[in-house]
Amino acid sequence: GQNIDQPTEMTATEGAIVQINCTYQTSGFNGLFWYQQHAGEAPTFLSYNVLDGLEEKGRFSSFLSRSKGYSYLLLKELQMKDSASYLCAVRDGDYKLSFGAGTTVTVRA
Amino acid sequence: GAVVSQHPSWVICKSGTSVKIECRSLDFQATTMFWYRQFPKQSLMLMATSNEGSKATYEQGVEKDKFLINHASLTLSTLTVTSAHPEDSSFYICSASHNRGLGSNEQFFGPGTRLTVL
Repeated sequence: GQNIDQPTEMTATEGAIVQINCTYQTSGFNGLFWYQQHAGEAPTFLSYNVLDGLEEKGRFSSFLSRSKGYSYLLLKELQMKDSASYLCAVRDGDYKLSFGAGTTVTVRA
Repeated sequence: GAVVSQHPSWVICKSGTSVKIECRSLDFQATTMFWYRQFPKQSLMLMATSNEGSKATYEQGVEKDKFLINHASLTLSTLTVTSAHPEDSSFYICSASHNRGLGSNEQFFGPGTRLTVL
């Protein structure tokens, strides 16, 4: 099985930056995904890393270090609408995703 | 982009009844569909993987006789919760892929179905 850890909750103010860390232990690795999920809704794709380094997409960036089993999602210029749960998911083997429990981010004015 | 729909979006049923949930890929052919379950404040847990035209592969601990999965066409998979009990109340989410889920962002998620068993 997979072991994926991320913090349960984080709070930040509007306009600030928040970094959500994710550590994982897997028997195989074929990519790491970050999803955003609002309450009662399905996850929506944010980013994908398969090689080490930083991937930047607008206000969101994701970093991966395969040797350390570590990733982070960086949210810049936080907006109220960014309040949601952020899920780290690792693809193990050839196609299955294993999800972390999610980090609930609360953005305050 | 690829769109996946689920029907119904929510359902309330009595204990002992069966409930069918549909997952459709609207603008692409899904060779593989995945069914997840999410309890409140918990992570998505993969229940099973279904490939069109073949039997579903269930994850450990998921009863295949209770959660019947059919993937009869490239655009439709169904999950039937048989003899539902209150502990089956959960958020059921499907995702679809047009290959075996390789590459980036190859799983497209449906909006989920909220099942409440009384």
